[in-house]
Amino acid sequence: EVQLVESGGGLVQPGRSLKLSCLASGFTFSNYGMNWIRQAPGKGLEWVASISSSSSYIYYADTVKGRFTISRDNAKNTLYLQMTSLRSEDTALYYCARLGPLDYWGQGVMVTVSS
Amino acid sequence: DIQMTQSPASLSASLGETVTIECRASEDIYNGLAWYQQKPGKSPQLLIYNANSLHTGVPSRFSGSGSGTQYSLKINSLQSEDVASYFCQQYYNYPYTFGAGTKLELK
Repeated sequence: EVQLVESGGGLVQPGRSLKLSCLASGFTFSNYGMNWIRQAPGKGLEWVASISSSSSYIYYADTVKGRFTISRDNAKNTLYLQMTSLRSEDTALYYCARLGPLDYWGQGVMVTVSS
Repeated sequence: DIQMTQSPASLSASLGETVTIECRASEDIYNGLAWYQQKPGKSPQLLIYNANSLHTGVPSRFSGSGSGTQYSLKINSLQSEDVASYFCQQYYNYPYTFGAGTKLELK
C-alpha cells in the first residue's frame, strides 16, 4: 500500500524557516517524481514544487521560487521542502503527492506563519 | 502559465442524478488533465487522469471526457458518498495549475 506521511509543520514567525519531510513507503520511491501541493484554509489547491526521480529536474511556483527548496533522499525514501523567508500567505496545509497526475497524496501537514 | 477555469463553483443535485463539471484550459493541454475528489477534512484523491482514464479503485459511475481546451467530469447515479469538492488540474506543462473547485452538495 502506497503511503506518504508528512511531518515538520507548525507555527513559525514571519521571516523564519521551516523544513517539511514526507516519508514514502509501499512503492519504489526512487522511481517516481514527487511534488508538494498546498491548500490555504478554506481555499483551493496550489502546486508548490516538483522534483524528478533522480533530482535532475526541479520546478517551483513563482510564489515560492527563491525561498523554498525541494529535495529528496532516495536512500531514506524521503522528500523534503525547505522553506525560508516565510510569509503569512504561506500559511496552508502542505501535501506531498506522487507523480503527475498526482496519484497518491499524504494526509498533509499544517504550516502557520504568524507573529 | 495555463489558466484552468472550472464551472460551476457549486452544484446541488439529488441522489441518482447525473452531474457534470466542466474545466476549460487557456491553451491546448493535450489531455494532460486530471480530476480529484476532496471530502471535508481529507486529502484529495485522484479520480481521472489523461482526461478519460479511471484511476484504480474509482467507481465506474465517474467518467472523464474532452480534448484540447475543454474537459468534463461526469458522475452518473449520484451517491451520498459523492458529496465533496472536485478539482481539475493540468499537468501538461509546468507550473501545474488547478481549477478553483466545484462544491457538490445533495439537494
